[in-house]
Amino acid sequence: EAGVAQSPRYKIIEKRQSVAFWCNPISGHATLYWYQQILGQGPKLLIQFQNNGVVDDSQLPKDRFSAERLKGVDSTLKIQPAKLEDSAVYLCASSSGLRTDTQYFGPGTRLTVL
Amino acid sequence: GDSVTQMEGPVTLSEEAFLTINCTYTATGYPSLFWYVQYPGEGLQLLLKATKADDKGSNKGFEATYRKETTSFHLEKGSVQVSDSAVYFCALSGSSGYSTLTFGKGTMLLVSP
Repeated sequence: EAGVAQSPRYKIIEKRQSVAFWCNPISGHATLYWYQQILGQGPKLLIQFQNNGVVDDSQLPKDRFSAERLKGVDSTLKIQPAKLEDSAVYLCASSSGLRTDTQYFGPGTRLTVL
Repeated sequence: GDSVTQMEGPVTLSEEAFLTINCTYTATGYPSLFWYVQYPGEGLQLLLKATKADDKGSNKGFEATYRKETTSFHLEKGSVQVSDSAVYFCALSGSSGYSTLTFGKGTMLLVSP
């Protein structure tokens, strides 16, 4: 079974530029999550999708971050404009959505904002 | 809100030593509890989980018991190997009905031969 795919793996941009990350979840998983992991900290949820609807985006900085999940499969996360404090690893995960289920994580995208 | 507190690292052990990484949580309701591991250069992987009080999760020689009375989920292994060197994250989900994971800050384990 293929795992969660993410691209790119690494991205370096200057502040005020825009950037987009892509995620392809495990086939059949209805729920998709984007987490932000700052160096030395645990991952923090940015947004959760159930199929193509948003379940929780309470911690998403909506003035600069946006995300979509078209057709309930792939998802993109965009930052525009980027700030220095956005430097982090962006993790995508998927699951069937039950609270007891395992979330499967992709390898992440490491973003460096200069 | 929900929170997870882990012991700070790094934890440095010799091969075959006993490992304990402490984890306590604050949550309403009845969350599920997880340990995830992140090996160098790799993504997060589930190590073990427990979904109700007194359940014991186990995998690859690691164990953790869901203790509701002490709100704890400590990770243990009887004999660590060099290959166990990684960052370990304790997490919970579901106390509010959602499946979102709330993570601790992670504990780095370094095992020397």
